[in-house]
Amino acid sequence: AQTVTQSQPEMSVQEAETVTLSCTYDTSESDYYLFWYKQPPSRQMILVIRQEAYKQQNATENRFSVNFQKAAKSFSLKISDSQLGDAAMYFCAYRLPGGATNKLIFGTGTLLAVQP
Amino acid sequence: GAGVSQSPRYKVAKRGQDVALRCDPISGHVSLFWYQQALGQGPEFLTYFQNEAQLDKSGLPSDRFFAERPEGSVSTLKIQRTQQEDSAVYLCASSLSLVNEQFFGPGTRLTVL
Repeated sequence: AQTVTQSQPEMSVQEAETVTLSCTYDTSESDYYLFWYKQPPSRQMILVIRQEAYKQQNATENRFSVNFQKAAKSFSLKISDSQLGDAAMYFCAYRLPGGATNKLIFGTGTLLAVQP
Repeated sequence: GAGVSQSPRYKVAKRGQDVALRCDPISGHVSLFWYQQALGQGPEFLTYFQNEAQLDKSGLPSDRFFAERPEGSVSTLKIQRTQQEDSAVYLCASSLSLVNEQFFGPGTRLTVL
């Protein structure tokens, strides 16, 4: 069974600084997708960034980038130039590429605080 | 619609009552998912629909949980004889197809007293 582990329950960063959130996962599959989702206090889950396992190049979206290490089954999120609006719960998630179901498997989350 | 909507946003039920939670997906989205998010945890998959067909219900925790999507649009998650352990936020997500991004609703916070 696939599992996703986030070992940092809470993290804190100063505004304008850089922070890295960790995620590891376990799977026997070779093709899959990985995601980082942001969940602000309002609870609406928002996709931050996604990575296809077959792509060696790390995904980037503006201030957000990932460090995808397939052999180590590691998928960390780097937030550069942190802003107050980045404060939220961040979830790492895994999904198979398709088939009978498309369910997301989530980690337990990392609560990010941004200090002004 | 602008996004996935869910109602009610908050629901308080006495133990043993039945509840029904509604999800309105984004118009035209074929796939619809329900997740359960306990306090301080990540969401956990409950069930999945493609149009009106329920293709995966492996995450439903007991036979007290039932979901339907009769016309392939709005979905209802029903919980019968609620128990305290059912207290959680129930999230609905929809996607254009099986392989596209899932868009989440704001969730329904269920509290069972």
